[in-house]
Amino acid sequence: RKEVEQDPGPFNVPEGATVAFNCTYSNSASQSFFWYRQDCRKEPKLLMSVYSSGNEDGRFTAQLNRASQYISLLIRDSKLSDSATYLCVVCPLDSGNTGKLIFGQGTTLQVKP
Amino acid sequence: NAGVMQNPRHLVRRRGQEARLRCSPMKGHSHVYWYRQLPEEGLKFMVYLQKENIIDESGMPKERFSAEFPKEGPSILRIQQVVRGDSAAYFCASSPGTGGAGEQYFGPGTRLTVT
Repeated sequence: RKEVEQDPGPFNVPEGATVAFNCTYSNSASQSFFWYRQDCRKEPKLLMSVYSSGNEDGRFTAQLNRASQYISLLIRDSKLSDSATYLCVVCPLDSGNTGKLIFGQGTTLQVKP
Repeated sequence: NAGVMQNPRHLVRRRGQEARLRCSPMKGHSHVYWYRQLPEEGLKFMVYLQKENIIDESGMPKERFSAEFPKEGPSILRIQQVVRGDSAAYFCASSPGTGGAGEQYFGPGTRLTVT
């Protein structure tokens, strides 16, 4: 079983749509959670951290459910520029707190005009 | 303030040759992480280094791969006797200290192609 699992998609949505991505992780001792964005053939860039209380940044909302080991990302009012691959990332506690990151395979989003 | 720099951006090697990938962390950062992204897959952690020390190499293949981060100069990821399966994008990230993703800044990557 993969440590971090995501539906690879692609998700094809029209501009203005609301889209949600989900992610599950297997290591219950995981400590920190993040969503990264990766454009085609570019480096990943941090989109937002994910907290149990939920957090929002403009059109983006992230949620963590520790009991279910489940992370979500909601994008409202999709823009063409949101087209990218969204990576679910976990930092496990048992890494000795070295900060190494465990990446999901990514979910591809295509926003159409 | 320049970001994380990696060179070369593209590298082509024939099977059996050596590949050297360089990473210069952001100014003031003394922690370097290397990740590999195979085609159609997610990034996989390889190694974590501080200046002159390998802290965690749990993701490194047992043979042919080595990494260093000398006191002066960039971090080097070295792959000896490359094989086709080594073709991938290799990303370096740096951070000012041990921490989570919020502090890791990624370079543009080196795309290695083995022919």
